[in-house]
Parts: sequence; C-alpha cells; structure tokens
Amino acid sequence: GENVEQHPSTLSVQEGDSAVIKCTYSDSASNYFPWYKQELGKRPQLIIDIRSNVGEKKDQRIAVTLNKTAKHFSLHITETQPEDSAVYFCAANSMDSNYQLIWGAGTKLIIKP
Amino acid sequence: NAGVTQTPKFQVLKTGQSMTLQCAQDMNHEYMSWYRQDPGMGLRLIHYSVGAGITDQGEVPNGYNVSRSTTEDFPLRLLSAAPSQTSVYFCASSYFSGQGKAGYTFGSGTRLTVV
Repeated sequence: GENVEQHPSTLSVQEGDSAVIKCTYSDSASNYFPWYKQELGKRPQLIIDIRSNVGEKKDQRIAVTLNKTAKHFSLHITETQPEDSAVYFCAANSMDSNYQLIWGAGTKLIIKP
Repeated sequence: NAGVTQTPKFQVLKTGQSMTLQCAQDMNHEYMSWYRQDPGMGLRLIHYSVGAGITDQGEVPNGYNVSRSTTEDFPLRLLSAAPSQTSVYFCASSYFSGQGKAGYTFGSGTRLTVV
C-alpha cells in the first residue's frame, strides 16, 4: 500500500525567505497530491493540490511541484510571512484503499521575525 | 451549508467512563473518517466508512467503535476511556472524483482529556 514520508519535521525560516517541504510516496499509481495547513488549535485545511498529469501548480506565494519519476512532491512558500507559521501536511491518494488519502507526518513551519 | 459539525468541542472524562463523539455532515459525502491527533503529532486514522452501513478499521482502532446508519452521521464511541486516549479528535468528510481527486473537509475537532 501507499506510504508517505515528509521532511523536515520542523523548519525555521526568516520572515521574507522561502520555505520548502518535501514528501515522497511509494505507490506509482497515486495520482493526486494535496497539501493541508493546520494553524494552532484549528482544523487542517486544503491550501493547494496537484494531479499527476501536471508538474507544477502555483497560487500566489505557494507552489507545488511533482516529480513522478522520483516519486516526490514539494511545497514551496515564497516571501514567508508570520501567518505562514503552522503545521503543513502532505498526502497522496491510495489506489489500494478506494482513493483514500495517506498522510505525511507533518512539518511545523516557524517564521522568525 | 454547515460542512462538518463535531460535538462536543471539549470533554473531560474519568478513566473507565464511556462517551460518544458526534459528527454530522451536510455535503452528501459518502466517505467519512475519524482521526486522532496527539500533541505535536500527525493524523492517525481510527475508523472510516465508505457509505451508510459500511465501516472499517484504520491504523489505531482499539478502544473505539463506530457505526454509520445514515449518510450524514458518523459517531465515534469510546467504550472505556483510558488516559492514553487523551487527544484531539477530528472527523472528516470526503468526496472522491473519478480522476482520483479527494476533497477532505475536517470538523473543528474535539479536545478530549481522560483523567
């Protein structure tokens, strides 16, 4: 079945710098890769997603890239701001489990002023 | 359209007590699931349901029961609470498109403390 690994577990960057979080997946049949943001004390919410027929997707300061050959995808946040501080989860769908999402362990992003 | 509604938001139980966490969705999603999130940790799947009358175990099912009598409701029952079940519980409702896209909507969570 699908396995998703996420790195790093904690990432601290200076405000205004860029942040990159990387996930790898094991099932080459997976074709959907979302990213969720969870602010402190709140629920996870979808911020961006990508399908396997696309290599990159952007939405203002955030972007996701996908490398199907290497089976990894990454979240890029540019010009980081204090409100970007949160835990970010990646996920991949699992063909073996009726397209359920398999979740990474999360990355705590800290934006230093 | 309320999305996913979880009750209660906070609960304190004594060891050995039982209780039910409620989850309701109004999006007509077939798939619903329960996760627990321990401090500083990720999401661990407890139980899930792919439709009314169908449930299955996730990664950490012990000590919990679920049922799905309607599309809208998916309650989680703690049979005999233990301190190890102190956690934040999230219910999620999901749709799946034919192209594999999965849209998960989470409830606001229930913060459970077992003393």
